[in-house]
Amino acid sequence: DTGVSQDPRHKITKRGQNVTFRCDPISEHNRLYWYRQTLGQGPEFLTYFQNEAQLEKSRLLSDRFSAERPKGSFSTLEIQRTEQGDSAMYLCASSRVREKLFFGSGTQLSVL
Amino acid sequence: AQSVTQPDIHITVSEGASLELRCNYSYGATPYLFWYVQSPGQGLQLLLKYFSGDTLVQGIKGFEAEFKRSQSSFNLRKPSVHWSDAAEYFCAVQISNFGNEKLTFGTGTRLTIIP
Repeated sequence: DTGVSQDPRHKITKRGQNVTFRCDPISEHNRLYWYRQTLGQGPEFLTYFQNEAQLEKSRLLSDRFSAERPKGSFSTLEIQRTEQGDSAMYLCASSRVREKLFFGSGTQLSVL
Repeated sequence: AQSVTQPDIHITVSEGASLELRCNYSYGATPYLFWYVQSPGQGLQLLLKYFSGDTLVQGIKGFEAEFKRSQSSFNLRKPSVHWSDAAEYFCAVQISNFGNEKLTFGTGTRLTIIP
């Protein structure tokens, strides 16, 4: 059990650029979640997958955001045309159904 | 929609002193309740959870929490803190509908330990 892995740990980008983050969940976990955490706030739910199916998306996930989990294993979160307000820590978590969530260390995004 | 309030943004306690972190939730029924800890550069780690049954739950690292339905509270306690307990603590709720295990987090309480 290597835990939930996220890559990169840090990303600095210029406003208007596209960025993509990757999450590798614990291998036997069929659920995968994305959260966003801004400074001084708790994590906010963005979206989640069961296997390859994206089952719920938060209103926070604007049309510039897209998440995929093509083979039910790793997931990617892409942000197009980044804005300064997108600067945040993006957290990934995974779980078995009805079991506790395991979180990764996150990807810190800074949009200049 | 459910919500979670952690009224204390920052708490400072002396090493060896007792600790209580407050958490109040707003939801029509009893949700599942959690406490997580986040250290710098680390992911969120689950300390303890309450689903049903005994209202006093024990967690890891010597933490415990008590669910009080009448007060809609789920406060976290530790009898004697250690310097390694310095971190950010988050209370979270989950609607107990056995569907999406989506968590709603509070804004967190930053704990500082002084020698």
